[in-house]
Amino acid sequence: DTAVSQTPKYLVTQMGNDKSIKCEQNLGHDTMYWYKQDSKKFLKIMFSYNNKELIINETVPNRFSPKSPDKAHLNLHINSLELGDSAVYFCASSQEVYEQFFGPGTRLTVL
Amino acid sequence: AQSVTQPDIHITVSEGASLELRCNYSYGATPYLFWYVQSPGQGLQLLLKYFSGDTLVQGIKGFEAEFKRSQSSFNLRKPSVHWSDAAEYFCAVGARGGYQKVTFGTGTKLQVIP
Repeated sequence: DTAVSQTPKYLVTQMGNDKSIKCEQNLGHDTMYWYKQDSKKFLKIMFSYNNKELIINETVPNRFSPKSPDKAHLNLHINSLELGDSAVYFCASSQEVYEQFFGPGTRLTVL
Repeated sequence: AQSVTQPDIHITVSEGASLELRCNYSYGATPYLFWYVQSPGQGLQLLLKYFSGDTLVQGIKGFEAEFKRSQSSFNLRKPSVHWSDAAEYFCAVGARGGYQKVTFGTGTKLQVIP
């Protein structure tokens, strides 16, 4: 069973489009995260939710909006995609600050 | 706020040789410390973690790390590297108390040569 899953794995789209990435965890964790990994492998946290409540909201453009319908799901919606949004987006989950379990990543390419 | 530095961007070792990857952190107290590994095209996997107690921690795949408070370091070691260890390694630091974020280092890419 996959602990943290993301869909889609690859996403290629045009500038200006709106897209969503979905994440699900079956570990029973209370906290979920979205990270962005750029081409230099730098991993930067974007958002974190605990029991559907937003607890970390880093300096991210308003075009990015996370949504957590329940504590097992955390989706990321991106409006008006820009070239600079091209990256690999990772979802992760944890129980408090203990070890984070990462999904396989979604490679977003904006043309 | 906490920060973490991995001074080596890229390290090359021969298969069978020993390995040490450096990690230095900045935090006002004893943090939570982690090492993660990322194989090409994969997500990150936890190798080991330090929360308290014994400063030498053992992890998966034969890795270990030592927490040295005086040096603010948490270096990762392996006595004999295998070709399958080639990957990107990330050190991370988390603040204690509440739902604080974990900050990742910039990573060290390990290349293993035959």
